[in-house]
Amino acid sequence: DADVTQTPRNRITKTGKRIMLECSQTKGHDRMYWYRQDPGLGLRLIYYSFDVKDINKGEISDGYSVSRQAQAKFSLSLESAIPNQTALYFCATSDFGDQETQYFGPGTRLLVL
Amino acid sequence: AQSVTQPDIHITVSEGASLELRCNYSYGATPYLFWYVQSPGQGLQLLLKYFSGDTLVQGIKGFEAEFKRSQSSFNLRKPSVHWSDAAEYFCALTRSNDYKLSFGAGTTVTVRA
Repeated sequence: DADVTQTPRNRITKTGKRIMLECSQTKGHDRMYWYRQDPGLGLRLIYYSFDVKDINKGEISDGYSVSRQAQAKFSLSLESAIPNQTALYFCATSDFGDQETQYFGPGTRLLVL
Repeated sequence: AQSVTQPDIHITVSEGASLELRCNYSYGATPYLFWYVQSPGQGLQLLLKYFSGDTLVQGIKGFEAEFKRSQSSFNLRKPSVHWSDAAEYFCALTRSNDYKLSFGAGTTVTVRA
């Protein structure tokens, strides 16, 4: 089984809809991250969490919110989706003892119409 | 500010030929450097990382990378590519005890028979 899983893998939604992307991990890591990938831009950090009670904004957090339900679960929400949020979204984890090394999930491809 | 540049957007290589992907970085201190691969429909997989020590780093799938401080580079190489190496490759940078990964825009590798 994969160490970092994301659901759904693909999603089509309409402008203005609320949508939630979920991430679960079995690596036992305390740190979790959400990124978005756009062609030609690499990956950009949306939010990160160092533990259940710690949530921090990344470089592109506007229009997004997150919830750390447990050490193993970290959800990303788009409160009111817009077309320029169409992207590939990745969840990642890292361990306190080696926080520089991040492990990524398979990604969620989101299309906002 | 730290940044990563991957000068080549797309590289085509014949199966069995050698491959070199370029990565240049801008950072004032000693960086921690990574190469990730994203196969079609897959998440990012860590190929190798450099933190310190030997500047030639061996990774998975037969890849290696060499850190050259004087050239601010961390180029990825493989002596003989396989069709399964067709993917997008990302170079990333962080620093000691930091969570923030800065990614390059990626290089897409096409392998022709």
